[in-house]
Formats: sequence, C-alpha cells, structure tokens
Amino acid sequence: GAGVSQSPRYKVAKRGQDVALRCDPISGHVSLFWYQQALGQGPEFLTYFQNEAQLDKSGLPSDRFFAERPEGSVSTLKIQRTQQEDSAVYLCASSPPGLAGALYNEQFFGPGTRLTVL
Amino acid sequence: DQQVKQNSPSLSVQEGRISILNCDYTNSMFDYFLWYKKYPAEGPTFLISISSIKDKNEDGRFTVFLNKSAKHLSLHIVPSQPGDSAVYFCAAAYSGAGSYQLTFGKGTKLSVIP
Repeated sequence: GAGVSQSPRYKVAKRGQDVALRCDPISGHVSLFWYQQALGQGPEFLTYFQNEAQLDKSGLPSDRFFAERPEGSVSTLKIQRTQQEDSAVYLCASSPPGLAGALYNEQFFGPGTRLTVL
Repeated sequence: DQQVKQNSPSLSVQEGRISILNCDYTNSMFDYFLWYKKYPAEGPTFLISISSIKDKNEDGRFTVFLNKSAKHLSLHIVPSQPGDSAVYFCAAAYSGAGSYQLTFGKGTKLSVIP
C-alpha cells in the first residue's frame, strides 16, 4: 500500500519568501506529526494533529510557522518570511488509530521535503 | 538540553559480526523507546521498540535492551549485513503526554564492511 508522501521533495526559497509543504498521510491514519531535521541532527518535533484538531504545537519555533489539516487527511506546513535557519528537512509522519491496550502506535515517516533558504 | 543522546556518531563493523548501538536518556518520564533506521534521501523507518515494563525485545537479527536504572538502551544487530549500513536513530516517547511526540537522538551512522 501507499506510504506517507510529501511534496515537493526539494524546495529552494529566497530569504523572506513564504513556502508551503504538503503531506499526504497513509489513508485511515488519525494522527499526523511534523518534524524538522537540521543537518547532522535528529528529527525534532514541531506539531501534532489528531484528525483535524491540532492538539500540540509546542515545537513550532516561531509564529512564522503554521500548520493545518482542515479535513483530517492532507496537512500543510507553511513557513512565512523564510530565514536561513529554516533550512532543514521537514518530515511528516502518520500513525493509525490506537489499538486496545497499546501503549504507543508506530509512526510511519514520509521521505521529507528538503528546504534550502538562500 | 539533549534528552536522548547517542554519543557515537559513527560505527564500523565487519560483516557477520555483532553491531551494538547505544543510547542514553535523561527524562525519567519516557516509557517507550524506539529505533529507527534511515537511508539517505528517505524518511526514517521503524525497526524495533520496547516499553519500559520490559528489559529486552527481540525481532530476528535485532534485539533491543533497556536498563531503566541506568537510563540506557542498546540495539544489537547480529549478524551484521552490508544492507544494515544506514543511520540509526534512537527515539523516546512519554505516553502520558497526550501527543506521542518522539524525542530523537542525533543518530549513529553504521557502516558494515563486507
């Protein structure tokens, strides 16, 4: 079956430009996560959705970052007035509805969007 | 402040031998731990996990050990194969947080030499 897909795979933006990154989760997956991975680092949590509700946005680094998932499936991460420090790979992950008694549900990652801000 | 630490940026192992990747954590609230494998230009792929109520979980060539008192976990791969060459990320979660966000280490690049 289809995995998590992200588009575009690569994005080059000039400093100050707005960008929008798209994530298509696995069909039926309730939870959706965005992570930011800087060069040489591990992924860092940005935000979490359960269906269309954004339940945790504690990892968003500034108010220039905005994420939405209006119909509970596709999600968009928008970055306004991009800065050089925003250059990173942006990873999207989704996970299925909770299994009875399960402590945790595996997150399935997409290939990421590599954003370069010049 | 790194809550999940992988202190070895890289590791080289001969094919057929054991690979041991280590991970330390500082947050005692973490109760679920995962290992992800990542190839270049791809997203991380889930490998194996362990809950804090266990001290060992095995899946084929992969075994994860958890030492809660030392806040340490390790991933053993035996025997190592060239296709295991990748970056391995240790990740931790606190199920009571409500969002199940993962906290990752910086990764260890494993090279298995034929």
